[in-house]
Amino acid sequence: GAGVSQSPSNKVTEKGKDVELRCDPISGHTALYWYRQSLGQGLEFLIYFQGNSAPDKSGLPSDRFSAERTGGSVSTLTIQRTQQEDSAVYLCASSLKLAGDETQYFGPGTRLLVL
Amino acid sequence: AQSVAQPEDQVNVAEGNPLTVKCTYSVSGNPYLFWYVQYPNRGLQFLLKYITGDNLVKGSYGFEAEFNKSQTSFHLKKPSALVSDSALYFCAVRDMEAAGNKLTFGGGTRVLVKP
Repeated sequence: GAGVSQSPSNKVTEKGKDVELRCDPISGHTALYWYRQSLGQGLEFLIYFQGNSAPDKSGLPSDRFSAERTGGSVSTLTIQRTQQEDSAVYLCASSLKLAGDETQYFGPGTRLLVL
Repeated sequence: AQSVAQPEDQVNVAEGNPLTVKCTYSVSGNPYLFWYVQYPNRGLQFLLKYITGDNLVKGSYGFEAEFNKSQTSFHLKKPSALVSDSALYFCAVRDMEAAGNKLTFGGGTRVLVKP
């Protein structure tokens, strides 16, 4: 079956512009996660959505970052007023929410370059 | 708090030889433990996980890992490495008793298998 998909695969933007990154989770997965992978920081958790519960935003690095998940499926990560330090690969993952089986499956990522 | 350490930035091994990638973790409660592999310009691919039960876990592509509670380790192993195993490997942990569902990743270990 289809895995997690993300778009765009690559995004180049100018400092100060806003960007939107999209994630389509695996069908039927109720949990969705965003992570950031950068050279200096490794893999960092950003935000977690589970069903209709309030999202866990504890990993968002600043108020320039926000995310939403519409209809319990597709999610959009928005970065406002991008900075060069936002350059990274943004990874989305999804999982079922079953006790004992919460394996997260990752998409291919969006590579963001802020000039 | 939860954390993961992968003490080796890179592991070099000859094709056909055993491969070991080390991982130690720290959690307050009991751990969920995962190994992921990342090929160049790709997302993270799930290899195996430990949730409960047998300490020796078998996963994809002939990989296995042994959960050792006393040493808080979850080393990844493969009896006979292939050149195609050359990639970046990540260990990850989630505290079963912690709220939320975020994974904490190690810094990654690059594996280079030489023919």
